[in-house]
Amino acid sequence: DQQVKQNSPSLSVQEGRISILNCDYTNSMFDYFLWYKKYPAEGPTFLISISSIKDKNEDGRFTVFLNKSAKHLSLHIVPSQPGDSAVYFCAASYHSGAGSYQLTFGKGTKLSVIP
Amino acid sequence: KAGVTQTPRYLIKTRGQQVTLSCSPISGHRSVSWYQQTPGQGLQFLFEYFSETQRNKGNFPGRFSGRQFSNSRSEMNVSTLELGDSALYLCASSLGLGGTQYFGPGTRLLVL
Repeated sequence: DQQVKQNSPSLSVQEGRISILNCDYTNSMFDYFLWYKKYPAEGPTFLISISSIKDKNEDGRFTVFLNKSAKHLSLHIVPSQPGDSAVYFCAASYHSGAGSYQLTFGKGTKLSVIP
Repeated sequence: KAGVTQTPRYLIKTRGQQVTLSCSPISGHRSVSWYQQTPGQGLQFLFEYFSETQRNKGNFPGRFSGRQFSNSRSEMNVSTLELGDSALYLCASSLGLGGTQYFGPGTRLLVL
């Protein structure tokens, strides 16, 4: 049972335009959501996060939107740059007892920004 | 601040052998989590250690184990390696009170 889903395996966007990456989740206990960027053979790099008490968080070119009723979040990158080309993972966490917060990941969306 | 470091970066083993991977968290972080990334299954949670205690464990067989030392450094061990254990093993550290986990570069394990 995949609790975090990224339904688009890939996305191509022109440089300078907006990239929108989507993520859906099924577990209503998730209360913290993160986006990571990953290059091949490297570890994921943290980009931006959002708590379930918010519906929007911005950091520079990156904005994450959370729609709790739809169990949906999205990452907007504006403007997109060629260096943004990577695999983007959506992750979610909740307090799973004994103080632990494990991350559940989607399978990733490969973003290609075309110059 | 130095990031999360993992050693070795690459490893080749044969079936039946065992392997130990090491992770040094960001200074001040007390929680270390381990994840396995494979093309088919994506990133999957293995276990989490906090203050030398395993707080949480994912759905992996007992061949996968770990430990954490008093300086928060962590090791994971895989015994009786199988071909399917070939993967990128990622370590992540955090303050341990929820919030963001920061990942190391990973150890690429190839089992022949």
